[in-house]
Amino acid sequence: GENVEQHPSTLSVQEGDSAVIKCTYSDSASNYFPWYKQELGKRPQLIIDIRSNVGEKKDQRIAVTLNKTAKHFSLHITETQPEDSAVYFCAAHTRGSWGKLQFGAGTQVVVTP
Amino acid sequence: GAGVSQTPSNKVTEKGKYVELRCDPISGHTALYWYRQSLGQGPEFLIYFQGTGAADDSGLPNDRFFAVRPEGSVSTLKIQRTERGDSAVYLCASSRSIAGGITDTQYFGPGTRLTVL
Repeated sequence: GENVEQHPSTLSVQEGDSAVIKCTYSDSASNYFPWYKQELGKRPQLIIDIRSNVGEKKDQRIAVTLNKTAKHFSLHITETQPEDSAVYFCAAHTRGSWGKLQFGAGTQVVVTP
Repeated sequence: GAGVSQTPSNKVTEKGKYVELRCDPISGHTALYWYRQSLGQGPEFLIYFQGTGAADDSGLPNDRFFAVRPEGSVSTLKIQRTERGDSAVYLCASSRSIAGGITDTQYFGPGTRLTVL
């Protein structure tokens, strides 16, 4: 089955700097890659997603890139703000696996003022 | 509109007891998922419903776990003879129907924190 690895596990950045989180997946049939943000004690919330027919997607300060050949995708947050502090999860969906998402282990992002 | 809701928010039980966790999906969402999240980990898939039927229950850890969705809306996750290792946050998510291998955005509920003493 699909396996998703996420790095780094923790990331500390100064406010205003950029943050990059990387994920790799194992199943070349994976076709959908969402990113979720989870604040302490709260539900995971979708922040951006990308499908396999697109190489890059941007939404204001957040962008995701996908390299299908290398089977990895990355989340980029620019001009980080303290409210960006949270745990971020990447996930992958494999075509034919119904709606099942395979999640990475998460990245704890801390933005210091 | 209303998001996915789950009850109870917290459940403390004793080892060996039976528990039921409820999920109310977003109105009109035919796809419903259950995930389990242990401390410091990402959500782990348990089961997926399309309408009333469980289309994929490959993530259920053993036969103590069972889930139903009798009318295609509310779902209940049932755990028999609970064990301390079942302690986790149980998350429910819903999405519009999927077709052709293309999934849609999954919206998560706030979760039920289960503690087995």
